[in-house]
Amino acid sequence: AQKITQTQPGMFVQEKEAVTLDCTYDTSDPSYGLFWYKQPSSGEMIFLIYQGSYDQQNATEGRYSLNFQKARKSANLVISASQLGDSAMYFCASTGGSQGNLIFGKGTKLSVKP
Amino acid sequence: GAVVSQHPSWVICKSGTSVKIECRSLDFQATTMFWYRQFPKQSLMLMATSNEGSKATYEQGVEKDKFLINHASLTLSTLTVTSAHPEDSSFYICSASLGRGPLRGYGYTFGSGTRLTVV
Repeated sequence: AQKITQTQPGMFVQEKEAVTLDCTYDTSDPSYGLFWYKQPSSGEMIFLIYQGSYDQQNATEGRYSLNFQKARKSANLVISASQLGDSAMYFCASTGGSQGNLIFGKGTKLSVKP
Repeated sequence: GAVVSQHPSWVICKSGTSVKIECRSLDFQATTMFWYRQFPKQSLMLMATSNEGSKATYEQGVEKDKFLINHASLTLSTLTVTSAHPEDSSFYICSASLGRGPLRGYGYTFGSGTRLTVV
């Protein structure tokens, strides 16, 4: 079964610095999609970035980039120039749920220090 | 586009009462709706999957009679927590699928969530 592992329960980063949030996945599917979501304290799930398993290039969306290493089965999120508003929970997710649902990691709580 | 409106945002109810949570797809037809539950400081766990016009599929350990799901139309799915108890207090969030496979991430769109507190 598909499994997402986020090994960092919490991370601290200084404002304006870059931070990498780790995510590894375990799947036997030849085709899959990887997602990162931000969840602020309000609870909404904010889509950040998506990487398809056959995409040749790493995905980028503004300050967010995904460091996709297929052989290692890792899909780390890189946030550049951190802002105070980036403080939130971050979830890595993958397609592959038995019902067509996304499967989520346990999340990483990011705190940006001024 | 692909917005899911979820209501209410938060609700407090007395133990033993029922609470209905609605998720409406505003600008697309949601053939499939996923219902997740999230306890504090934990991840999203799939509770059930509903498909328009058919019975919901519940994940192992989720009580079908307690968490009633109705997906009567392509734009509305509801979750009713029946005879709620304090242990049902949680954050419930719906997610609609736009079809087979993700499309630049917009293959899944989420409601804003409902924080349920049972007293």
